[in-house]
Amino acid sequence: KAGVTQTPRYLIKTRGQQVTLSCSPISGHRSVSWYQQTPGQGLQFLFEYFSETQRNKGNFPGRFSGRQFSNSRSEMNVSTLELGDSALYLCASSRGLAGDEQYFGPGTRLTVT
Amino acid sequence: AQSVTQPDIHITVSEGASLELRCNYSYGATPYLFWYVQSPGQGLQLLLKYFSGDTLVQGIKGFEAEFKRSQSSFNLRKPSVHWSDAAEYFCAVGARGSGGSNYKLTFGKGTLLTVNP
Repeated sequence: KAGVTQTPRYLIKTRGQQVTLSCSPISGHRSVSWYQQTPGQGLQFLFEYFSETQRNKGNFPGRFSGRQFSNSRSEMNVSTLELGDSALYLCASSRGLAGDEQYFGPGTRLTVT
Repeated sequence: AQSVTQPDIHITVSEGASLELRCNYSYGATPYLFWYVQSPGQGLQLLLKYFSGDTLVQGIKGFEAEFKRSQSSFNLRKPSVHWSDAAEYFCAVGARGSGGSNYKLTFGKGTLLTVNP
């Protein structure tokens, strides 16, 4: 079974631009969660999508948004990029039931200059 | 709301020595508990998981963890560390948030393990 894939793996953007990251979950998984990982803040939960609906949301500004498609693939978008958005963005998929283990992709390394 | 504390930011052990990584959680009931490992430049890999039953859980790569309800702890152990175990380790709690909000995972800040030859 193929694992979680994320594209692109690396991205360099300029302040003020916007960016879209993509995540393809494990086949059969209906839940996709997104996390931001930085050295200072660690792993922070952004949001979770289940069956095309946002089911849970972390404490991030509205510049961070996401969506999920009918095939469970998910995208997250960050608008008006700031230097502090530089991070590793991780996507995780699961069946979506409470307690299910999440399987992580390799992440997208975003650098904002 | 749930929270997770990993008291040790960085631990160094010699190859072949035993290892224990500490994790304490805060939650009103017994949550789902997980340990993940992250190698440099990689995503997180699940080592093991606990919810109920035997409080000693076996995982992959020779790791085990023990749930102690009285101490709200879920410490990760390995009897003999290999150089390939050098990585960052994350403890996570899965639970519903305050006010009945949806289930989510909350991660600790991680413990970086260095293995000396």
